[in-house]
Amino acid sequence: DIELTQSPSFLSASVGDRVTITCRASQGISSYLAWYQQKPGKAPKLLIYAASTLQNGVPSRFSGSGSGTQFTLTISSLQPEDFATYYCQQLHSYPRTFGQGTTVEIK
Amino acid sequence: EVQLVESGGGLVQPGGSLRLSCAASGFTFSDHYMDWVRQAPGKGLEWVGRTRDKPNSYTTEYAASVKGRFTVSREDSKNSLYLQMNSLRTEDTAVYYCARVGSSTYGRDHLDYWGQGTLVTVSS
Repeated sequence: DIELTQSPSFLSASVGDRVTITCRASQGISSYLAWYQQKPGKAPKLLIYAASTLQNGVPSRFSGSGSGTQFTLTISSLQPEDFATYYCQQLHSYPRTFGQGTTVEIK
Repeated sequence: EVQLVESGGGLVQPGGSLRLSCAASGFTFSDHYMDWVRQAPGKGLEWVGRTRDKPNSYTTEYAASVKGRFTVSREDSKNSLYLQMNSLRTEDTAVYYCARVGSSTYGRDHLDYWGQGTLVTVSS
């Protein structure tokens, strides 16, 4: 199975901060990666697919980059509604594994 | 508007069975692969399984942790997805989400819509 390791697992940030989350794959997965946001008690929401394509309706402050084994999700200016847990998911092989998650909390 | 509504969760004893349903609306259900994803209390997301569409013979994929115990199926005439769970274990306790696969193109099969989830508790 392909293992995805996100870093950090937890980060504390302020409104307006630039935030970067990294997802590292245990083997190359080309650009076959998606990012999701999950708020407490809610279902996950798709943010980015194909490593860098923004899902319709997602604010442009979110961006994704990377290919191969290293990927990043960047929030250019953190907003109050962005405090949540973020997951990456690889779409290269079965099973379609997720990273362990990165929780972004208010500093 | 795309909607996915899960049902069928509840309390079940270890070794027991449960069948989850997911009612889909707002899109052409038969055109999409569909997934189940679960989340144990306080934990991260775990992909459970997938059913492909009719052109792909409704073939399925599973996580190793559920293979041989869980079965994903669908009934396109009823716009419904199912998860039959047998030989349940305490570690299967989780919120179970159904999710629509946005595209059947390899590597672009991200999950673009999710249901609200249904809680399954396996306990004696």
